[in-house]
Amino acid sequence: GENVEQHPSTLSVQEGDSAVIKCTYSDSASNYFPWYKQELGKGPQLIIDIRSNVGEKKDQRIAVTLNKTAKHFSLHITETQPEDSAVYFCAAQREQLTFGSGTQLTVLP
Amino acid sequence: GAGVSQTPSNKVTEKGKYVELRCDPISGHTALYWYRQSLGQGPEFLIYFQGTGAADDSGLPNDRFFAVRPEGSVSTLKIQRTERGDSAVYLCASRLGAGNTEAFFGQGTRLTVV
Repeated sequence: GENVEQHPSTLSVQEGDSAVIKCTYSDSASNYFPWYKQELGKGPQLIIDIRSNVGEKKDQRIAVTLNKTAKHFSLHITETQPEDSAVYFCAAQREQLTFGSGTQLTVLP
Repeated sequence: GAGVSQTPSNKVTEKGKYVELRCDPISGHTALYWYRQSLGQGPEFLIYFQGTGAADDSGLPNDRFFAVRPEGSVSTLKIQRTERGDSAVYLCASRLGAGNTEAFFGQGTRLTVV
């Protein structure tokens, strides 16, 4: 089955700096790659997704890149704000979503 | 509300007891998923329904776990003879269809087996 690895497990940045989270996947047939933000006591919430026919997608301060050949994808958050502090999960889907282990992002004011 | 609703939000049960966890998906969403999330980990797939039928139950850890969705809307995850290792947050998600569309998650049910 699919295996998704996510790095780093924790990330601290100063407010206004950029944050980058990276994931790799194992199943070359996976074709959908969403990123979720999870705040304490809440369910995951989709922040951006990318499909396998696209290499990059941007939505305001958030961007995702996908390298199908290398089987890795990354989340980029620019101009970070304290409210960006949360756990972020990447996921890959062939049939079901397989999640990475999460990154605890802390934005220091 | 228009989101995925899970009840109860918290459940404490004794080892060996039976529990039921309920999920109300977004109206009109035909696909429904159950995931289990342990502390500090990502959600792990348990079972997927398309309509009333379980299209994929390969993630259920053993035969103590069972889920139903009799009318293609509300789903119930049932756990028999609970063990302390079953303690986790159980998440439900729904999707408009089976394809690569956004999966909306509920807030989860935190199950604690004592």
